[in-house]
Amino acid sequence: DIVMTQSPDSLALSLGERATMNCKSSQSVLYDVNNKNYLAWYQQKPGQPPKVVIYWASTRESGVPDRFSGSGSGTDFTLTISSLQAEDVAVYYCQQYYSTPLSFGGGTKVEIK
Amino acid sequence: QLQLQESGPGLVKPSGTLSLSCTVSGGSFSNSKNHWGWIRQPPGKGLEWIGSIFYSGSTFYNPSLRSRVTISVDSSKNHFSLNLSSVTAADTAVYYCARHEFGDYVSDLNWFDPWGQGTLVTVSS
Repeated sequence: DIVMTQSPDSLALSLGERATMNCKSSQSVLYDVNNKNYLAWYQQKPGQPPKVVIYWASTRESGVPDRFSGSGSGTDFTLTISSLQAEDVAVYYCQQYYSTPLSFGGGTKVEIK
Repeated sequence: QLQLQESGPGLVKPSGTLSLSCTVSGGSFSNSKNHWGWIRQPPGKGLEWIGSIFYSGSTFYNPSLRSRVTISVDSSKNHFSLNLSSVTAADTAVYYCARHEFGDYVSDLNWFDPWGQGTLVTVSS
């Protein structure tokens, strides 16, 4: 089973600051046949279901602001919010879909300082 | 636009069976590429994949729940269902249904999009 570990648990930043959060998988989620990383990032605001923001580790979902970006390959991944806005306050989860059982990280909570 | 909506009892007694349904609207439920999933989230905690089902009926379960879970699909009614037996307080959670997004291979269980709004199920006597 692939274990997803996120860090830090929480982030408190000022508006306009850069937010960086990490996700590490216990095994590589890079599929060599198509050279894609089977890794997604979700944003979950209070009382709402998660919403995908990034898939294939670095592809931004349609409608997601370009201040969100994903990077990394293999086992180490990063979600970056280049300039934190009030509406970005949420918990962010990574998820691997390389193999079953599908698994999520524990989440990173992003708050405004 | 595809929409999903969970329904079912909000309270289940310990040792009983949790039964939920997810109704899909606004899209083609019968597309052979459609794969559907259930995810849960205990109050204040993270997300746990329960299991998924292909349009064909093939199922994939989290080993941690496999002995208690059944997921089925009813294409005639545009819905799929979750049954979780022998529940305890540890099964108290918001239960979400979702669709796996299409990917490169029809056999892949890709990321989830869209999700239903979720339904809270409490296990208590």
